[in-house]
Amino acid sequence: EDQVTQSPEALRLQEGESSSLNCSYTVSGLRGLFWYRQDPGKGPEFLFTLYSAGEEKEKERLKATLTKKESFLHITAPKPEDSATYLCAVPSNTGKLIFGQGTTLQVKP
Amino acid sequence: GEEVAQTPKHLVRGEGQKAKLYCAPIKGHSYVFWYQQVLKNEFKFLISFQNENVFDETGMPKERFSAKCLPNSPCSLEIQATKLEDSAVYFCASSPGSPPQPQHFGDGTRLSIL
Repeated sequence: EDQVTQSPEALRLQEGESSSLNCSYTVSGLRGLFWYRQDPGKGPEFLFTLYSAGEEKEKERLKATLTKKESFLHITAPKPEDSATYLCAVPSNTGKLIFGQGTTLQVKP
Repeated sequence: GEEVAQTPKHLVRGEGQKAKLYCAPIKGHSYVFWYQQVLKNEFKFLISFQNENVFDETGMPKERFSAKCLPNSPCSLEIQATKLEDSAVYFCASSPGSPPQPQHFGDGTRLSIL
């Protein structure tokens, strides 16, 4: 059964303090891995797609990487506006997304 | 439109009543997905459509839940005889083509069963 596990569950950083979020996955065949950001009261906002091991994507202070077993979301010099829940998900063979539990990030000024 | 539009934002129903939720996918997107978020960050897949055809309904409770995507109309998710356990946020997402393309989510409908 396809499974996605994220860690840590919660992360508190000072503004400017870089860190990484982890997403471990077990799938029968990787069809891609998606990162989303979710703010309270909102739907998940698409950030990145990674399709193969070694692939990297960047957007502002965020960088996503992928290995054969896990993905990392690196946050460089975060700002308070980066505070949100970050979700990773993998699609099944029919496209339904299997989500991790998410990492709730709080960045303090 | 450029965004997935879900209505209403919040729906309150008494136990046993019917609830109907609506979703307008992004224009040009042919796949629609429904998810239920009960606890924080726990997403449960319900059903997906390719245009007006059911694509995957493996997550759909058979007894009380139904869904449709008809041409030129918003997609809908209907719950008959609601139960307290149906209280959740229901998200709709759309994608432009065959999986595994990224899904773009609406802001959800919060269903409260009293």
